[in-house]
Amino acid sequence: AQSVTQLDSQVPVFEEAPVELRCNYSSSVSVYLFWYVQYPNQGLQLLLKYLSGSTLVKGINGFEAEFNKSQTSFHLRKPSVHISDTAEYFCAVRVYNQGGKLIFGQGTELSVKP
Amino acid sequence: GAVVSQHPSRVICKSGTSVKIECRSLDFQATTMFWYRQFPKQSLMLMATSNEGSKATYEQGVEKDKFLINHASLTLSTLTVTSAHPEDSSFYICSARDGQGYQETQYFGPGTRLLVL
Repeated sequence: AQSVTQLDSQVPVFEEAPVELRCNYSSSVSVYLFWYVQYPNQGLQLLLKYLSGSTLVKGINGFEAEFNKSQTSFHLRKPSVHISDTAEYFCAVRVYNQGGKLIFGQGTELSVKP
Repeated sequence: GAVVSQHPSRVICKSGTSVKIECRSLDFQATTMFWYRQFPKQSLMLMATSNEGSKATYEQGVEKDKFLINHASLTLSTLTVTSAHPEDSSFYICSARDGQGYQETQYFGPGTRLLVL
């Protein structure tokens, strides 16, 4: 079975500071990795995804993530956050050839303060 | 990107009534849609996989007779919460799968907040 662990439930940070949201996964088979953002009372929006190739993936809104196979991690980073980045962030995995099911982590609430 | 809509966005109903939630893919065809449930401050839990023209596949612990899913066309899936009770109050989110395999992407609807009184 697969599982996703987001190590921080809440991350407060000041505007223009860098941020890292941590994600670790467990799987005995190959997976694809995703980060989604959820603004209050809205659905999820895809930030970025890792399918294969370069382990550093760039997404929308200035976010990037690095896949580390040996550490089974896929941490999300942004060098300088804005107030508008305040939202819930979810890491997810999708197992290759298993019908597209996504398994989500518990979520990390990013709170950007002025 | 592709757009997925949900209707209604918010619904309040009395205990014992049934509520239908629609999920539509607006600019692509989706043979597969997914239904999730999200409690406050928690993650999304997959309830079922909805396949066009066939029965839905439910996750362990999800009552099939309680949460009826119908995927009647390539752009529409519905979730009906039958005989709703206060514990069914939650945020329900659907997603639609565009493509298959390596390049597939799931697009999420904006969610439906259900409150059962």
